[in-house]
Amino acid sequence: AQSVTQLGSHVSVSEGALVLLRCNYSSSVPPYLFWYVQYPNQGLQLLLKYTTGATLVKGINGFEAEFKKSETSFHLTKPSAHMSDAAEYFCAVRPLGSQGNLIFGKGTKLSVKP
Amino acid sequence: DSGVTQTPKHLITATGQRVTLRCSPRSGDLSVYWYQQSLDQGLQFLIQYYNGEERAKGNILERFSAQQFPDLHSELNLSSLELGDSALYFCASSVGEGTGGAFFGQGTRLTVV
Repeated sequence: AQSVTQLGSHVSVSEGALVLLRCNYSSSVPPYLFWYVQYPNQGLQLLLKYTTGATLVKGINGFEAEFKKSETSFHLTKPSAHMSDAAEYFCAVRPLGSQGNLIFGKGTKLSVKP
Repeated sequence: DSGVTQTPKHLITATGQRVTLRCSPRSGDLSVYWYQQSLDQGLQFLIQYYNGEERAKGNILERFSAQQFPDLHSELNLSSLELGDSALYFCASSVGEGTGGAFFGQGTRLTVV
C-alpha cells in the first residue's frame, strides 16, 4: 500500500528564514501529490498540487514544492517564513487508480519564532 | 471559506449512542469524501460518494455508514459509539475524481464521553 512519510513532526524556524518541510512517498509510479495546511481549529486548505508536467509547483502564500521522481520526494519550501505561516502542514498522495481519496502523512507542525 | 459546509461543528455524546454528521459540498462538486482525524491515527480516509453512489471505501468501521442524497449533500452516521471514536471528522468535495485536490470543510469535532 502506498504511504507518505513526513520527516519531522515539529519544525521551528525564525521569521524570515527558509522553510523546508520534507515529504517522501512510496510508489513505483508517480502519484498525484498535494500539500495542505491546517490552521488551529480549521479545516485543511490546499496549498499546491502536482499532477503532471512541470516538476516545480508554485502554490499560495509563497510556498512551492518540487517533485523529484528519483528521490520519491515532494518537499515544501518557502524562502522567507512569516509569523502567519505557523500551522500544521500535511503532505498527501492520490494513488493512481484511486477514486480521488487521499493518503495523508502524519503532518508537520511549523512554529515561527519572532 | 472553502465552500464546504459541515454541521454541527461540535458534538458531545455518550457511549453507545448514534449521531449523524452532515456535509454540503461546494456548488457543482459531485464527489464527497469523509475523513477522520485523530491524534493516534492521523488523517484517515473513510468513504467516498460520487453523484449519489459509493465509489471508494477506506478504513471505515462497520458501525459507520454514509450516504449521498439527490441534492448531493452527504451524511455520515456513526452508531454504537465508543470512546475511541472521538475525533475530528472532515468532509471534502471535488468536481470529479479529485485530481485537482479536494476542498475540505471545517470539520465536526465529536467527543464521546
